[in-house]
Amino acid sequence: AQTVTQSQPEMSVQEAETVTLSCTYDTSESDYYLFWYKQPPSRQMILVIRQEAYKQQNATENRFSVNFQKAAKSFSLKISDSQLGDAAMYFCAYRSAMSGNTPLVFGKGTRLSVIA
Amino acid sequence: GAVVSQHPSWVICKSGTSVKIECRSLDFQATTMFWYRQFPKQSLMLMATSNEGSKATYEQGVEKDKFLINHASLTLSTLTVTSAHPEDSSFYICSARRPGGELFFGEGSRLTVL
Repeated sequence: AQTVTQSQPEMSVQEAETVTLSCTYDTSESDYYLFWYKQPPSRQMILVIRQEAYKQQNATENRFSVNFQKAAKSFSLKISDSQLGDAAMYFCAYRSAMSGNTPLVFGKGTRLSVIA
Repeated sequence: GAVVSQHPSWVICKSGTSVKIECRSLDFQATTMFWYRQFPKQSLMLMATSNEGSKATYEQGVEKDKFLINHASLTLSTLTVTSAHPEDSSFYICSARRPGGELFFGEGSRLTVL
């Protein structure tokens, strides 16, 4: 079974600074997807960024980028120019590509605080 | 706007009663939906995979007689917590994938059992 590990329960960052959230995963599969989700106090899950394992290029979405190291099974999220609205729980997630309807497997999450 | 809607967003019930939570995909047909449970300050744990027209697939440790899942149509899955007890109090979240595309989450339903 696949597992996702987020080793940082809490992180904080100064507004306008950069922060990196760590995520490692364990799988024997070669084709899969990785995600970072944001869960603000409203509890609505919001997709931040996704990465296809077959792509070597790291995904980027505006201020959010990932460092995907397939051999190391590492998938960290970098948030640049942090804003107060970035404060939330961040979950790293894995999904097998074996079929079109496999569920997401989540890490335990990292609570990010942004200091004004 | 939301493409997956959950209802109710919160519910308070007495111990021993049953509560039904609905998950609807608003603008696409979803043959599969997923139900997650989230305790305070914890991650989302998959409870079951809801399959349209067939029985749900439950994760290990999830009581199928306790958490009844029905996927009656391609746009609706329901989770019924039967004979709810205080330990069933939690945040329940559904998700559905647009065919060939992105996975969307419902807004979640907070259940409090008194």
